[in-house]
Amino acid sequence: GQQLNQSPQSMFIQEGEDVSMNCTSSSIFNTWLWYKQDPGEGPVLLIALYKAGELTSNGRLTAQFGITRKDSFLNISASIPSDVGIYFCAGQALTGANNLFFGTGTRLTVIP
Amino acid sequence: DAGITQSPRHKVTETGTPVTLRCHQTENHRYMYWYRQDPGHGLRLIHYSYGVKDTDKGEVSDGYSVSRSKTEDFLLTLESATSSQTSVYFCANGAGNEAFFGQGTRLTVV
Repeated sequence: GQQLNQSPQSMFIQEGEDVSMNCTSSSIFNTWLWYKQDPGEGPVLLIALYKAGELTSNGRLTAQFGITRKDSFLNISASIPSDVGIYFCAGQALTGANNLFFGTGTRLTVIP
Repeated sequence: DAGITQSPRHKVTETGTPVTLRCHQTENHRYMYWYRQDPGHGLRLIHYSYGVKDTDKGEVSDGYSVSRSKTEDFLLTLESATSSQTSVYFCANGAGNEAFFGQGTRLTVV
């Protein structure tokens, strides 16, 4: 399957700090998605990116679709305790079926 | 909102027994997916469907089968459960390039 490398694997930050995480692929994707998962719940879609170079915001969250189509990053500004969770990137390949490949996640802990 | 209901939410079964997990959507999305989530592996696609009776294999399809007889229902069957199939299973749906997830089914094979 597709290899998606997500980093960092975990982060411990103080409330109010900004956060940055990224995802790289060995293959080209035509869609990048970012999800957040809370314990015992399914992933929830945060941001969707469809075009190389695209920069999209959702409140305090900003994500970008890399120019090479092989990477994406997610920034969270002014973190708050409810940002705690696991963040996943997902990419959809150019060819083949309409399905997504996921990174292994970044576990975010926000210290009040 | 995915409008997805997964059942059961939790199940413990014995090795060698058949198991069926159910996914029901209230949306009319064309695409439905089954993923499994395991520590260190993230979410991996098992099977997906692109329409009624149209299904295809994903990355980790061995030991699993699916059926979609109606737009709203997508079933995942483990023909003979093994301990390696202990996992959290997520159903998802979507109309295009996005996927929206249900709350998951935690399956333990003992």
